[in-house]
Amino acid sequence: DQQVKQNSPSLSVQEGRISILNCDYTNSMFDYFLWYKKYPAEGPTFLISISSIKDKNEDGRFTVFLNKSAKHLSLHIVPSQPGDSAVYFCAAPSGTSYGKLTFGQGTILTVHP
Amino acid sequence: DAGVTQSPTHLIKTRGQQVTLRCSPKSGHDTVSWYQQALGQGPQFIFQYYEEEERQRGNFPDRFSGHQFPNYSSELNVNALLLGDSALYLCASSSGGGFGADTQYFGPGTRLTVL
Repeated sequence: DQQVKQNSPSLSVQEGRISILNCDYTNSMFDYFLWYKKYPAEGPTFLISISSIKDKNEDGRFTVFLNKSAKHLSLHIVPSQPGDSAVYFCAAPSGTSYGKLTFGQGTILTVHP
Repeated sequence: DAGVTQSPTHLIKTRGQQVTLRCSPKSGHDTVSWYQQALGQGPQFIFQYYEEEERQRGNFPDRFSGHQFPNYSSELNVNALLLGDSALYLCASSSGGGFGADTQYFGPGTRLTVL
């Protein structure tokens, strides 16, 4: 039962353009979402989050949009840089103290110079 | 300030054997969570330890067990290894009190290969 899904295994964009990574969820109890970035040989690092009381959260070049009715969120990176090339995971916390993270399968982003 | 550290980096075992993975949390953190990341998949929650007790658990069999020590470090034990246990095992630490979702810090992981 995949409660968080990232249906695009990979995305390739040109430096300076926008990268849009998508994520869908099925559990309507999820009310908070996070994006993590993972480089090879490193653990995931927290990037940006959004609460279900908002439909947008911005942090520098990164913006996350949430569409609750569609159970869909997206991460926009503008402008994309080669250093953004990594695997991106969306995740939803649940359980005691929101300590259990349910991750999507990840999307490999490649930004070409 | 050292982040989350895990040992060993890589490990090769054979089916039926037992393995122990270790994790030291980030300074100031008292909660440790373990995740299994199979190839091409996202991390899957195994369990979380807080105050030396298993606080919550994901959908993993009893072959997966853990421990947390008074210094907050943690071990993950897997018994009767199966080929399907081959994965990257990630440890994450956070502060146990209150909402800690976006403050989970991950270690680099231990790559376990079962032959």
